[in-house]
Amino acid sequence: LAKTTQPISMDSYEGQEVNITCSHNNIATNDYITWYQQFPSQGPRFIIQGYKTKVTNEVASLFIPADRKSSTLSLPRVSLSDTAVYYCLVGDPRDSNYQLIWGAGTKLIIKP
Amino acid sequence: DVKVTQSSRYLVKRTGEKVFLECVQDMDHENMFWYRQDPGLGLRLIYFSYDVKMKEKGDIPEGYSVSREKKERFSLILESASTNQTSMYLCASISRGMGNTEAFFGQGTRLTVV
Repeated sequence: LAKTTQPISMDSYEGQEVNITCSHNNIATNDYITWYQQFPSQGPRFIIQGYKTKVTNEVASLFIPADRKSSTLSLPRVSLSDTAVYYCLVGDPRDSNYQLIWGAGTKLIIKP
Repeated sequence: DVKVTQSSRYLVKRTGEKVFLECVQDMDHENMFWYRQDPGLGLRLIYFSYDVKMKEKGDIPEGYSVSREKKERFSLILESASTNQTSMYLCASISRGMGNTEAFFGQGTRLTVV
């Protein structure tokens, strides 16, 4: 299972763009990169998933370089409600042994 | 629109009791997971299941067992509850398929063992 490394915490201000980078040096060929958001006392919630290059949805963008050894979650124009813990996961969902192993995540604090 | 349902939001049990936490998903997902989450320790995998009657130990299976008799239901059992099992328990399911897949979580069960 590919291990991921993220910053423990980040601060930003309302209206700013926030970029959170995740390192996954031993990512396997069939692995996807998935980001989740978690608020206190709730389960994590899916944000975005990608395999290579760039993926964009209504809430975020995911940038994946050609070597796929890292990825960057980009949150445009954050608000106070984006204060949460963000997790980066790497794995092959087709694998029956896909375990959804969670790292410590990045605690993002948005200030007014 | 609820996809993963856990049987209780809050539970208080006594030391030594047998405790059942139930999780049901309505998405026909193959893989289901049980985690506990404690402050400062993140999500720790207790058990997971990739098919009916199949189970695999996660990182912290001691003191727990699981049951998956039907595809949609994954139960976590505390054989003899102890105070160190006081925690938030989260169930998740995911489809084992091609391309994009996402995990869905239940609302969590906050268990207090007294």
